[in-house]
Amino acid sequence: KAGVTQTPRYLIKTRGQQVTLSCSPISGHRSVSWYQQTPGQGLQFLFEYFSETQRNKGNFPGRFSGRQFSNSRSEMNVSTLELGDSALYLCASSLDPGRQETQYFGPGTRLLVL
Amino acid sequence: AQSVSQHNHHVILSEAASLELGCNYSYGGTVNLFWYVQYPGQHLQLLLKYFSGDPLVKGIKGFEAEFIKSKFSFNLRKPSVQWSDTAEYFCAVNDRSNYQLIWGAGTKLIIKP
Repeated sequence: KAGVTQTPRYLIKTRGQQVTLSCSPISGHRSVSWYQQTPGQGLQFLFEYFSETQRNKGNFPGRFSGRQFSNSRSEMNVSTLELGDSALYLCASSLDPGRQETQYFGPGTRLLVL
Repeated sequence: AQSVSQHNHHVILSEAASLELGCNYSYGGTVNLFWYVQYPGQHLQLLLKYFSGDPLVKGIKGFEAEFIKSKFSFNLRKPSVQWSDTAEYFCAVNDRSNYQLIWGAGTKLIIKP
């Protein structure tokens, strides 16, 4: 079974631009969560989608948004990029992360904002 | 707000040494507990998890963790580490009433050959 895939793997953008990242979950998984990982900060939860609905959202500004399609693929968008948005963005999928499910992670998209 | 604390940001050990990485969380309700590992250049992957039952949980590669509810702790242990255990280790806690995993800041483990 193929794992979680994320595209692109690397991105370089400049301040003020916007970016869209993509995540394809494991086949059959309906939930996708997004995290931002920075050195020393661990993983910060961005949001989680299940069956095309955002079920939970972390404490990030409105510049960070996402969506999920009917095939469970998900995208996240960051508008008006800031230097502090440079990070590894991780996507994780699960059957349903609700209470008893393990999340499986993709390799991440490394975003550098100049 | 919930939080997860990993006390050691960097740990350096020699091969065959015993390992214990601390993880404490602040939440009084029912939780699920996880340890994930990120080897250099690889994805985050699950080491072990605790949902209920026996508080001593065994995971992959000889790792185990003990859930001590009274101490809000879920420490990771391995009796004898190997050079290949060099990685970053993350503790995470899931409040069963929502869908959000709360993560510790991670512990970078370096094993000297």
